[in-house]
Amino acid sequence: AQSVTQLGSHVSVSEGALVLLRCNYSSSVPPYLFWYVQYPNQGLQLLLKYTTGATLVKGINGFEAEFKKSETSFHLTKPSAHMSDAAEYFCAALIQGAQKLVFGQGTRLTINP
Amino acid sequence: ETGVTQTPRHLVMGMTNKKSLKCEQHLGHNAMYWYKQSAKKPLELMFVYSLEERVENNSVPSRFSPECPNSSHLFLHLHTLQPEDSALYLCASSQDVSGYEQYFGPGTRLTVT
Repeated sequence: AQSVTQLGSHVSVSEGALVLLRCNYSSSVPPYLFWYVQYPNQGLQLLLKYTTGATLVKGINGFEAEFKKSETSFHLTKPSAHMSDAAEYFCAALIQGAQKLVFGQGTRLTINP
Repeated sequence: ETGVTQTPRHLVMGMTNKKSLKCEQHLGHNAMYWYKQSAKKPLELMFVYSLEERVENNSVPSRFSPECPNSSHLFLHLHTLQPEDSALYLCASSQDVSGYEQYFGPGTRLTVT
């Protein structure tokens, strides 16, 4: 069965530091992959997605993620954290042709001034 | 209105009440979803509708009853809920059920007393 694992339920970085949120998936077929962000009392907002083609994907707010098939990973990065990046981040996977988007458990990102 | 809207944003109800959550998407999508988001738990998919037909029902208790009168509107009818049903209920839509990113509404924060 397909699953998504996010390493670390809580990540804390200093303002201006590198942000790295880890996501691994388990699937025999490379899925479509997504990162969503959820700010307090709001729904999920799509940050970026990988379907096919270039493995380095750029999203909104300066975030990017790289699909690595050999490592079954899709880690999210941002070179320099901003206070406004504090939120919960969800990685999700969708098998091509399937109806169900499988979510990881989420990572809460805290930015220290 | 743009995107996906949900009403009400907050709802407090007793265990014997009957209430309904409403979701509307203004994106011209063909698929709609209900999710439950509880504290410290992964996002749980409850129902999936494609072109107003229910295509997935993830063993959700019968006290939750979805309704999709057209491709733009989705309801979740609630009756005789339990305190453990308190959660954030998120609605989402996508172009189709397969292989497309989902767009989320802001959610309804439900408290069952």
